[in-house]
Amino acid sequence: DAGVIQSPRHEVTEMGQEVTLRCKPISGHNSLFWYRQTMMRGLELLIYFNNNVPIDDSGMPEDRFSAKMPNASFSTLKIQPSEPRDSAVYFCASSFELNEQFFGPGTRLTVL
Amino acid sequence: SQQGEEDPQALSIQEGENATMNCSYKTSINNLQWYRQNSGRGLVHLILIRSNEREKHSGRLRVTLDTSKKSSSLLITASRAADTASYFCATGLTGGGNKLTFGTGTQLKVEL
Repeated sequence: DAGVIQSPRHEVTEMGQEVTLRCKPISGHNSLFWYRQTMMRGLELLIYFNNNVPIDDSGMPEDRFSAKMPNASFSTLKIQPSEPRDSAVYFCASSFELNEQFFGPGTRLTVL
Repeated sequence: SQQGEEDPQALSIQEGENATMNCSYKTSINNLQWYRQNSGRGLVHLILIRSNEREKHSGRLRVTLDTSKKSSSLLITASRAADTASYFCATGLTGGGNKLTFGTGTQLKVEL
């Protein structure tokens, strides 16, 4: 298995632009998680899905952030419009039930 | 404050020495997990200990869990330079579904 796949690996954009991050979880996993990591705030859970259904989005910062999981093998995290304070590394992770999570390599987002 | 807080925040040891990291949490858990993160990479799962377990081993890793004190420790024996990384504890809360809450991490540096 290729593990959790994220794209792009790096994204540099200007304030106000729309940003879409993509994730392909490990086949057979039924939970998918989006995290954000910064030096100041550490690793924060933004949202997680179970069986493609959003279960907990309490970590989503504000309405500019949205996430979808149209099927078991794909999820997106969208920021519109982006702001410099959104600059961070965004990780996607997947798991089967309440077991270990497998993390993707992350997307390093820089908003200028 | 964080559900899981690691102690110490940073640890520097010589190769061959043992490294001990501690994690404290606040509420009832289903399980506690330890992850490692190398600089610029995603987190990698190390070990999972369930709330009804007290100790678990995996190679050079030993994890203990004391639910009465709401604390866990990770011991890395005979450390190597390649163990240099950040280590995070993560708790799966009772009734929290499949999500994990990550601590702030311990930065371990193993010097030759």
